[in-house]
Amino acid sequence: EIVMTQSPATLSVSPGETAALSCRASQSVNTHLAWYQQKVGQAPRLLIYAASARATGIPARFSGSGSGTEFTLTISSLQSEDFAVYYCQQYRSWPPVTFGGGTKLEIK
Amino acid sequence: QVRLVESGGGVVQPGGSLRLSCATFGFSFNTYGLHWVRQAPGKGLEWVAFTGEDGTTFYADSVKGRFTISRDKSEKTLYLQMNSLRTEDTAVYSCARDPLAYQPYYLDFWGQGTLVTVSS
Repeated sequence: EIVMTQSPATLSVSPGETAALSCRASQSVNTHLAWYQQKVGQAPRLLIYAASARATGIPARFSGSGSGTEFTLTISSLQSEDFAVYYCQQYRSWPPVTFGGGTKLEIK
Repeated sequence: QVRLVESGGGVVQPGGSLRLSCATFGFSFNTYGLHWVRQAPGKGLEWVAFTGEDGTTFYADSVKGRFTISRDKSEKTLYLQMNSLRTEDTAVYSCARDPLAYQPYYLDFWGQGTLVTVSS
């Protein structure tokens, strides 16, 4: 099973600044990685797939990078609606499909 | 537009059974894979099961042999039959669409979820 580790668990950033969220895989997943955003009481929303491709309707301030075992989700010019929990997910090797534990992005 | 709507959650005693449903709308049911994912209270996302358009199925070890995922093409509905439920199965269960029809990939649309509580 591929273990996904996200860091930090909580990230405090001011609106208008840039946030960088990290996701590490226990073995290479190539670029078979997705990122999701989940707000309180809402379903997760797909942001990024194939490590760097933005899903339909996702603003350009969201960008993904990385390959192999190290990945980053970067959110620039943070807006109030961006404060949420973010999850990474690998789909290189399954079962199981595995998610990271999440990073909570909070307002500083 | 694409929608997935879960139902069937509730309170059940340990060892009991429950069947969840996921009605789908706005896309061609037969050309997408479908997942169940759960989220225990205050916890992260945990993948549960996947079914491909051809009926292929995959399960997490934690539910294998107890849960059965299935799909009904005529009803455009996904199901999760849950037997021998344990307290640790308590979670919000969500269904999600996969753009790949025959193997797990990423999850591009999610339902809101239905709460399953296993308690005596």
